[in-house]
Amino acid sequence: DTEVTQTPKHLVMGMTNKKSLKCEQHMGHRAMYWYKQKAKKPPELMFVYSYEKLSINESVPSRFSPECPNSSLLNLHLHALQPEDSALYLCASTQLAGTDTQYFGPGTRLTVL
Amino acid sequence: SQQGEEDPQALSIQEGENATMNCSYKTSINNLQWYRQNSGRGLVHLILIRSNEREKHSGRLRVTLDTSKKSSSLLITASRAADTASYFCATDGANSKLTFGKGITLSVRP
Repeated sequence: DTEVTQTPKHLVMGMTNKKSLKCEQHMGHRAMYWYKQKAKKPPELMFVYSYEKLSINESVPSRFSPECPNSSLLNLHLHALQPEDSALYLCASTQLAGTDTQYFGPGTRLTVL
Repeated sequence: SQQGEEDPQALSIQEGENATMNCSYKTSINNLQWYRQNSGRGLVHLILIRSNEREKHSGRLRVTLDTSKKSSSLLITASRAADTASYFCATDGANSKLTFGKGITLSVRP
């Protein structure tokens, strides 16, 4: 199984809402990543988890809160977002933290009204 | 900051033709990867080439790496309409981070 799954596929939320994005992989990978991608732009790294511990936070605003409950799951909790946070949010995993092949999920299309 | 810069930014070809995309980068690397992204979807890994390799093949894909020029090229032979997508090069950097280039939009006309 070389699949990374993400739910939901689409999410529309108001600026006062609290929502969560979920990512799951069953490849035994020990590093997981969150990226944000705006239209016609490359993915931008947000967070890296290695062995369920946060290893990189790319100065992401605190309205984004990542969580790694176990080695297969990665969540991104959203609270008080702004319209400019609307984007495609991508999850990825690698066997170990490093820069070898990243396996990406299909993404969650987030719209903040 | 972006490490890789692809060239051209957009490419339109006829089905059956070859597509060549270039990527230049600025600092030394351990490896360089190419990814494909269909519209609004996740990225799919195509190929990884290490700094001590000069050329690599995978099916209809051929990747070259010239570390002296800090550049790589991706060749897709006998293109198909299904190859229509955005293509990104990605270079490794400090702290387990991949840095993606701006991307190339490839359109293959049937």
